Amino acid sequence: AQSVTQLGSHVSVSEGALVLLRCNYSSSVPPYLFWYVQYPNQGLQLLLKYTSAATLVKGINGFEAEFKKSETSFHLTKPSAHMSDAAEYFCAVSDKGGKLIFGQGTELSVKP
Amino acid sequence: DSGVTQTPKHLITATGQRVTLRCSPRSGDLSVYWYQQSLDQGLQFLIQYYNGEERAKGNILERFSAQQFPDLHSELNLSSLELGDSALYFCASSEGQLTYEQYFGPGTRLTVT
Repeated sequence: AQSVTQLGSHVSVSEGALVLLRCNYSSSVPPYLFWYVQYPNQGLQLLLKYTSAATLVKGINGFEAEFKKSETSFHLTKPSAHMSDAAEYFCAVSDKGGKLIFGQGTELSVKP
Repeated sequence: DSGVTQTPKHLITATGQRVTLRCSPRSGDLSVYWYQQSLDQGLQFLIQYYNGEERAKGNILERFSAQQFPDLHSELNLSSLELGDSALYFCASSEGQLTYEQYFGPGTRLTVT
């Protein structure tokens, strides 16, 4: 069975600092991996996806993630945080591009 | 705006009641997925329909049912509601049966009192 673990339910960074949100997955087959962002009172928006092409994936709003098979990780990074990045971030895995299995989410706070 | 619409936005009802949540997928998308987001369970997949047929089932209670109509909109029916059913219900759509990108609607917040 597939699963996703997001390390840290809350992460706080200062504006301009590096953002690092951690995600580890478990999958018996080559996974498809996703990061979604949820702003307050809104639906989920796809930030980026890994579908077995390049291991370094660039997404919207300056975010990127690196797929590391040896570490079963897909951590999300952004070099410089903006106040507008404050939101909840979800890592998800899919085995065939169908249903998504989500992690518990990480709430990102950005301090001025 | 993802192009996926959900109605109603908010729903408040009493225990034991039945409600219907509606979802219209993006134009051209044939798959509809339903997810439940709650504080204790997080985001969980409930069910997927593709072109009117059920394709995958997740942690969906027997009190819950869904269908996808010929015009591709979908409805999620929740019956004999319990307090624990209070949650945010999301609909997502994608182009095909097994497609990487899912586009999420804004959700329906259900409160059971």
